[in-house]
Amino acid sequence: KAGVTQTPRYLIKTRGQQVTLSCSPISGHRSVSWYQQTPGQGLQFLFEYFSETQRNKGNFPGRFSGRQFSNSRSEMNVSTLELGDSALYLCASNRQGLSEAFFGQGTRLTVV
Amino acid sequence: TQLLEQSPQFLSIQEGENLTVYCNSSSVFSSLQWYRQEPGEGPVLLVTVVTGGEVKKLKRLTFQFGDARKDSSLHITAAQPGDTGLYLCAGSFSGGGADGLTFGKGTHLIIQP
Repeated sequence: KAGVTQTPRYLIKTRGQQVTLSCSPISGHRSVSWYQQTPGQGLQFLFEYFSETQRNKGNFPGRFSGRQFSNSRSEMNVSTLELGDSALYLCASNRQGLSEAFFGQGTRLTVV
Repeated sequence: TQLLEQSPQFLSIQEGENLTVYCNSSSVFSSLQWYRQEPGEGPVLLVTVVTGGEVKKLKRLTFQFGDARKDSSLHITAAQPGDTGLYLCAGSFSGGGADGLTFGKGTHLIIQP
C-alpha cells in the first residue's frame, strides 16, 4: 500500500511569490491534514480537509489556504511568501474517525 | 489554546542506558500518539494510547498513558544508536475524527555508540 506522497520535495521561492504544494493520501483515506514544522515552533496544525470540505483550521493567516479534490488529493497554497514561511510542510492522511496520522516526507520550502 | 509540554528537549546518552521522555498537558486527551522523526523525513507513528493507565510495549519501548489522560511517558530500555531521532508526542483533544493534532516540540535523542 503506497504511503502519503508529497510533491515537490524541495522548493526555493522569493519573497512575495506564491507557492502550491501537493499531497496524495493513502488510498482509502479521506481526511488530509497539513502541518508546518519549524525549529522554533515545532509542528503546528494548518488545516484539515475531509470530503473536499475544510473541517478545521489552525491559527495561521489567510495567506495560507488549501483545498481537497474528489479523489482526496489535496493542495495547499501560500501567497505573498515571507521569509518566516520557510519550513518543512507536512501532509498527513487519516482514516475516517481516527486521529492517528500517517505523514508524507514533506516539502522543504525555502523563501529567500 | 491547549499546550503540550515535552521534556527533556535534548538528551544524549550512551548505548545501553535507559531513558524516559515525558509529555504533559493541563487538558485531557481523547487519545495520544507518539511519533519518531528522522532528519528530512515525516514523523512515523509508533503507538496510540486511548485509555487512562494504558501501557503499551513496542520491543524496547514502553509507552504509558496517565490515569487522568493528561500525561504520557516513553521509556526506552538499553538504548541503541538506531533509536536516535526526534520523538514527538501528539494529542487529540476532541473525541474521534482528525480535528488536528497538537504536537509537543519534541525530544531530540542521540544515542552514542
